[in-house]
Amino acid sequence: AQSVTQLDSHVSVSEGTPVLLRCNYSSSYSPSLFWYVQHPNKGLQLLLKYTSAATLVKGINGFEAEFKKSETSFHLTKPSAHMSDAAEYFCVVIGGSQGNLIFGKGTKLSVKP
Amino acid sequence: KAGVTQTPRYLIKTRGQQVTLSCSPISGHRSVSWYQQTPGQGLQFLFEYFSETQRNKGNFPGRFSGRQFSNSRSEMNVSTLELGDSALYLCASSLDVHLAGWNTGELFFGEGSRLTVL
Repeated sequence: AQSVTQLDSHVSVSEGTPVLLRCNYSSSYSPSLFWYVQHPNKGLQLLLKYTSAATLVKGINGFEAEFKKSETSFHLTKPSAHMSDAAEYFCVVIGGSQGNLIFGKGTKLSVKP
Repeated sequence: KAGVTQTPRYLIKTRGQQVTLSCSPISGHRSVSWYQQTPGQGLQFLFEYFSETQRNKGNFPGRFSGRQFSNSRSEMNVSTLELGDSALYLCASSLDVHLAGWNTGELFFGEGSRLTVL
């Protein structure tokens, strides 16, 4: 069965410093992986997706993620945090017999001025 | 292009009542899926509709049901409400779900309907 584990429930960084949000996955085959972001009182927005093409995936707002099969990881990074990045981030894998999305528990990112 | 619209945005019900939530997908999107978001359980998949047919269902009791109309608008209903049904219910639409038989994963979410059960 497919699953994702987000290793941190809360990450706090200072504005201008790098962001690292960690996600490990479990899959019996080559997975399709995604990162979604949810700003307060808003719906979720797709940040980026990995579908077995390039292992380094670039997304919106300067975020990128690297698929590492040997480590079963798909960590999200950004070189320099901005105040507007404060939100909750979800690592997602496609799973199940019909391919529904399976969400991680989420990582809340706080950005200090 | 208008995004996914969910109504109502907020509602309060009491135990035992029933509730109907509505979702209008992005124009041209034929797939609509529903998710329940709670602080304890996170985001959990409820069901997905494509061309008026339920194609996938999560692990929720039969009190949770849904349907999709010919214009792709969708409703979900929860009957005999329980305190634990308090949650943010999110609807998402997609153009190409099940493209070539597989979910592309690119969903567009509404802002949700926040249900409080007293």
